[in-house]
Amino acid sequence: DTGVSQDPRHKITKRGQNVTFRCDPISEHNRLYWYRQTLGQGPEFLTYFQNEAQLEKSRLLSDRFSAERPKGSFSTLEIQRTEQGDSAMYLCASSSDFAVGELFFGEGSRLTVL
Amino acid sequence: GNSVTQMEGPVTLSEEAFLTINCTYTATGYPSLFWYVQYPGEGLQLLLKATKADDKGSNKGFEATYRKETTSFHLEKGSVQVSDSAVYFCALTTGTSGSARQLTFGSGTQLTVLP
Repeated sequence: DTGVSQDPRHKITKRGQNVTFRCDPISEHNRLYWYRQTLGQGPEFLTYFQNEAQLEKSRLLSDRFSAERPKGSFSTLEIQRTEQGDSAMYLCASSSDFAVGELFFGEGSRLTVL
Repeated sequence: GNSVTQMEGPVTLSEEAFLTINCTYTATGYPSLFWYVQYPGEGLQLLLKATKADDKGSNKGFEATYRKETTSFHLEKGSVQVSDSAVYFCALTTGTSGSARQLTFGSGTQLTVLP
């Protein structure tokens, strides 16, 4: 399977714990995006990488959130000191430089904070 | 800023019925417009797109026309099938080649097609 893969698919944690999600994009894609989706809403942009450089971050991305993309391949999204409001589906997507807006999404990592 | 407004769901149709899902947008500059679809248990996938005014995007029997004068991009299909049951998202992006060009999504419309 050469699509975007995310791990874990589901994560249940207690408030105050740290969690980390991993995304493996399509190998030839140099653009990588993280989005957050809550029930009944569309995805909301969190952050964007061009290769290994994090070039844009949404104001939704509080200082408890950090994302990395070492070596421009896979990416991780870490949430520190989780809160119940962090419960959501975290989506990763990748794209090439040439196809404007044509994102390939993974199936998402669902976070439940108790 | 950019925003997308979609008709609220859920929408329930019988097989072979005509489908319209309304989408209007507000954007700075000249957006490209998209419809994404999320089938049960799957990730979002691009259904169709249009990059300039009066363009018509089409795929799998679905169509949408970029109407700049009404800032709309309504999704239509002449005869829906049970397999079209999914959540449909209208989206847009603006920006130059050097920007993130992230997508701004509507809230989604759940479509259920009954046999």
